[in-house]
Amino acid sequence: DAGVIQSPRHEVTEMGQEVTLRCKPISGHNSLFWYRQTMMRGLELLIYFNNNVPIDDSGMPEDRFSAKMPNASFSTLKIQPSEPRDSAVYFCASSLNYYTGELFFGEGSRLTVL
Amino acid sequence: GIQVEQSPPDLILQEGANSTLRCNFSDSVNNLQWFHQNPWGQLINLFYIPSGTKQNGRLSATTVATERYSLLYISSSQTTDSGVYFCAVEKDDYKLSFGAGTTVTVRA
Repeated sequence: DAGVIQSPRHEVTEMGQEVTLRCKPISGHNSLFWYRQTMMRGLELLIYFNNNVPIDDSGMPEDRFSAKMPNASFSTLKIQPSEPRDSAVYFCASSLNYYTGELFFGEGSRLTVL
Repeated sequence: GIQVEQSPPDLILQEGANSTLRCNFSDSVNNLQWFHQNPWGQLINLFYIPSGTKQNGRLSATTVATERYSLLYISSSQTTDSGVYFCAVEKDDYKLSFGAGTTVTVRA
């Protein structure tokens, strides 16, 4: 079975540009999470979807960040405009449902904002 | 929120050695998972273990929920075991709280 698929794997962009990260969760999984990993802050939960509905976006740093899940097999995380402090590895993860909680991560998208 | 403390922060092993990693948490939990982040950055789910003991090859884990700790055992370590091991816990919502990790280096 395919795992969680993220794209792009690497993105280098200039400050002020729009960045879109994409995620395809494991088929049949109803919960999707976006995490950000930095050396300073470790792994932080940005937003959580259950059955395509955003449940908690309290971890989204500011209005420049937005996330959507238009269907069960696709989610995007958008940063507009991007800033150098957004440089990090962004992980998407999915789980079967909220109650089981066993989490499976994608390979991550490494973002560098110059 | 729940506090998660992992020890030791760093561990250097000779290939073939055994080791134990510890995860302490500050409150009762419904969910505890161990992850391995390899040197390429990939996060791999090792164990889903809110209580009890599980084994998978050379790795095993034990969680004593009543005493609020979990242990990850690596036996006969190999260089491919190098990386960062994270413990993550959840109390009663969907938010996993991650520890700072234990960085393991296995030398040939």
